[in-house]
Amino acid sequence: EPEVTQTPSHQVTQMGQEVILRCVPISNHLYFYWYRQILGQKVEFLVSFYNNEISEKSEIFDDQFSVERPDGSNFTLKIRSTKLEDSAMYFCASSAVPNQPQHFGDGTRLSIL
Amino acid sequence: SQQGEEDPQALSIQEGENATMNCSYKTSINNLQWYRQNSGRGLVHLILIRSNEREKHSGRLRVTLDTSKKSSSLLITASRAADTASYFCATDANGNQFYFGTGTSLTVIP
Repeated sequence: EPEVTQTPSHQVTQMGQEVILRCVPISNHLYFYWYRQILGQKVEFLVSFYNNEISEKSEIFDDQFSVERPDGSNFTLKIRSTKLEDSAMYFCASSAVPNQPQHFGDGTRLSIL
Repeated sequence: SQQGEEDPQALSIQEGENATMNCSYKTSINNLQWYRQNSGRGLVHLILIRSNEREKHSGRLRVTLDTSKKSSSLLITASRAADTASYFCATDANGNQFYFGTGTSLTVIP
């Protein structure tokens, strides 16, 4: 069964540095999402992306964050000038159509030191 | 905020027993979904119920939806140790923004 894959599985970065989290969505899916889960807390929506542009974003997704689909397969989340509170699991998801089940990757654990 | 809230936060049962988890939300929805998350893994979709549906079954899972009370329940029958995981409900009012609840941590004791 097709899967959403995320790399790296664990990223350790110094505070203030930039990080890029990578995702390969399921190949025939058109809608892409990023979520964040701080340890022990709920999964929080960050952004949805369709047709090469952001369709919705949450309050968390401020100017520090950006997303990009640089080619036909990858979907990236860039976090500029990372802060300690950015430490979390970041999940990528994709779906074929909106409002339908989303398929999640196993996440990238981001640790900011 | 539309975010759902599950209860209980934690549930521990013996293998073979049924497990019931509840979810409440705040605004009108298009559909409600239940997801499962094993420790350290991503979320896995279990079942979707539309706002005009009241009950849905999938294998050992039974989901109900009461839009008048803005609540849903997930029943897992004949639980197995492998069902040990966190379970989340997710709602959407429109578009592509999903709101996840705080989750119920289920432990099934062999």
